[in-house]
Amino acid sequence: KQEVTQIPAALSVPEGENLVLNCSFTDSAIYNLQWFRQDPGKGLTSLLLIQSSQREQTSGRLNASLDKSSGRSTLYIAASQPGDSATYLCAVDGNNRLAFGKGNQVVVIP
Amino acid sequence: KAGVTQTPRYLIKTRGQQVTLSCSPISGHRSVSWYQQTPGQGLQFLFEYFSETQRNKGNFPGRFSGRQFSNSRSEMNVSTLELGDSALYLCASSWRGRAEDTQYFGPGTRLTVL
Repeated sequence: KQEVTQIPAALSVPEGENLVLNCSFTDSAIYNLQWFRQDPGKGLTSLLLIQSSQREQTSGRLNASLDKSSGRSTLYIAASQPGDSATYLCAVDGNNRLAFGKGNQVVVIP
Repeated sequence: KAGVTQTPRYLIKTRGQQVTLSCSPISGHRSVSWYQQTPGQGLQFLFEYFSETQRNKGNFPGRFSGRQFSNSRSEMNVSTLELGDSALYLCASSWRGRAEDTQYFGPGTRLTVL
């Protein structure tokens, strides 16, 4: 059974600092990995999708890397802003089903 | 393009009742998946439908069921509700349900069981 871990569960950073969020998974037989953002009481917004054959994906201030062999992914958010405050979820797709970590709750302090 | 819509947004039921939740995917998307989100367990996969067929099912009891219609809209049903079924139920749609397809999530239905 795929286990996805995100540590730490919560973190606070001052505005302008770079954010580094880590995700680890136990089974490297994945099709892709997605990073999502969830605001309180809301659904999930897809941020980046990395195929299993890719090493990284970038979108604006966001960059995500994937190392299948070590079972790790990292999400970088450059120059964080208060609007980046949210919970960030990592999910791996093993067979048309996503296995999620419990998320990193991020607060960016103005 | 309109996003994934879920109705109703909030529901309050009592133990033993049954409930039906609805999900309308993004136009053109044929795959719909359902997830349950609770503070303790996080997000857990319920099932996935593609072209009216259930392709994948998670580890939930038979009280949880679903279906998909020819227009790709999907419903999930929970019978004999228990207190532990209180959760945010999210549905996600994708074009073909393949690994290279991004999944788009709806806002969720918040179910409270009293």
